[in-house]
Amino acid sequence: NAGVTQTPKFQVLKTGQSMTLQCAQDMNHNSMYWYRQDPGMGLRLIYYSASEGTTDKGEVPNGYNVSRLNKREFSLRLESAAPSQTSVYFCASSKDRVNTGELFFGEGSRLTVL
Amino acid sequence: ILNVEQSPQSLHVQEGDSTNFTCSFPSSNFYALHWYRWETAKSPEALFVMTLNGDEKKKGRISATLNTKEGYSYLYIKGSQPEDSATYLCACHYGGSQGNLIFGKGTKLSVKP
Repeated sequence: NAGVTQTPKFQVLKTGQSMTLQCAQDMNHNSMYWYRQDPGMGLRLIYYSASEGTTDKGEVPNGYNVSRLNKREFSLRLESAAPSQTSVYFCASSKDRVNTGELFFGEGSRLTVL
Repeated sequence: ILNVEQSPQSLHVQEGDSTNFTCSFPSSNFYALHWYRWETAKSPEALFVMTLNGDEKKKGRISATLNTKEGYSYLYIKGSQPEDSATYLCACHYGGSQGNLIFGKGTKLSVKP
């Protein structure tokens, strides 16, 4: 039972480089999310996808793009990485919207931008 | 900006102690509250999702209550064990915010044997 799988787990980038974080879930969930975790702050939503084919901005979307490739996969792209994007990124999924259902999280991806 | 506050920030207890911590949130337009348990080097795992005023939920030695009118939730752990050591996250969902859960900064619990 894989649950939510995200790759890579660790990545070091130079300022200006691009990269994509991949996320896949095998629970047939409708909604998927990307959060970032920074020291001294709560998890903050970057983007989410309520269903296949839709994406919406969260609290901190600037500098990121997302793609809901299919029901299983939701990727997060940094087009031109900046040191402020150094963070731990978590992908999550839920069966439906968060007013009724819990989130299931991946193990996190630690990104360092030099 | 909606703010979910958790207190205390950290807590150290002895094995066998019972403990509780608080999540405070704006009550206007509230839809749901989530509690998660987050062990170091792992991913957060859901404990409870609560929506109604007066809700009480229990899972083993852990229980939670919800007061939506005054905007708080308590998480209780009875007879703490070393394996309860983790950060406990509270998150709230509000009408109009669609997919966004607003997370608190967490309460870090350490249980000494």
